[in-house]
Amino acid sequence: DGGITQSPKYLFRKEGQNVTLSCEQNLNHDAMYWYRQDPGQGLRLIYYSQIVNDFQKGDIAEGYSVSREKKESFPLTVTSAQKNPTAFYLCATQDTLPMNTEAFFGQGTRLTVV
Amino acid sequence: DAKTTQPPSMDCAEGRAANLPCNHSTISGNEYVYWYRQIHSQGPQYIIHGLKNNETNEMASLIITEDRKSSTLILPHATLRDTAVYYCIVRVKPKYRDDKIIFGKGTRLHILP
Repeated sequence: DGGITQSPKYLFRKEGQNVTLSCEQNLNHDAMYWYRQDPGQGLRLIYYSQIVNDFQKGDIAEGYSVSREKKESFPLTVTSAQKNPTAFYLCATQDTLPMNTEAFFGQGTRLTVV
Repeated sequence: DAKTTQPPSMDCAEGRAANLPCNHSTISGNEYVYWYRQIHSQGPQYIIHGLKNNETNEMASLIITEDRKSSTLILPHATLRDTAVYYCIVRVKPKYRDDKIIFGKGTRLHILP
């Protein structure tokens, strides 16, 4: 089944621990994105990557890190420097060209830090 | 910052057409308008997109004004399952490394039985 897989669906961590969220895709899309969503709010861009071994900061990159060693994978690490890590995290992919293609989203990971 | 403005919430009676407006007055000539929706606790779902002509698919219709400064998403016969947050997005002109998708706060659509 083609698509985007985010795992796990629910994740609990203790405060001060780093945690890595997985995002895997088999759509052969070049671009991948990480968004954060807080209750009742819209999506805010954390990091994005247009090509392997390259990525850019989004609007709220502080306290997060990413890697793009393979086209299929774009893991997000929530570090202990992130002040309020509890949120819903969404991964998305998109073909970079042609321009008029849509983005596809995973089902998200809900991270709770206690 | 998002390049679009949407009302924070709207109500629509079940079976009626839901018309969701979006303002994108600073849109550039080759930027597309995209619509997505997000049902509670799920990832956003693509609905439709357009450049300048009106578009229709099995889910919705998209009406873009002639000056392209605003658009309306139309759900022709809304059902309770259409209750969701609807996002209108202008796709940033793609340049390598700079292309990103920015979401605004969207419109929370309530379908009333």
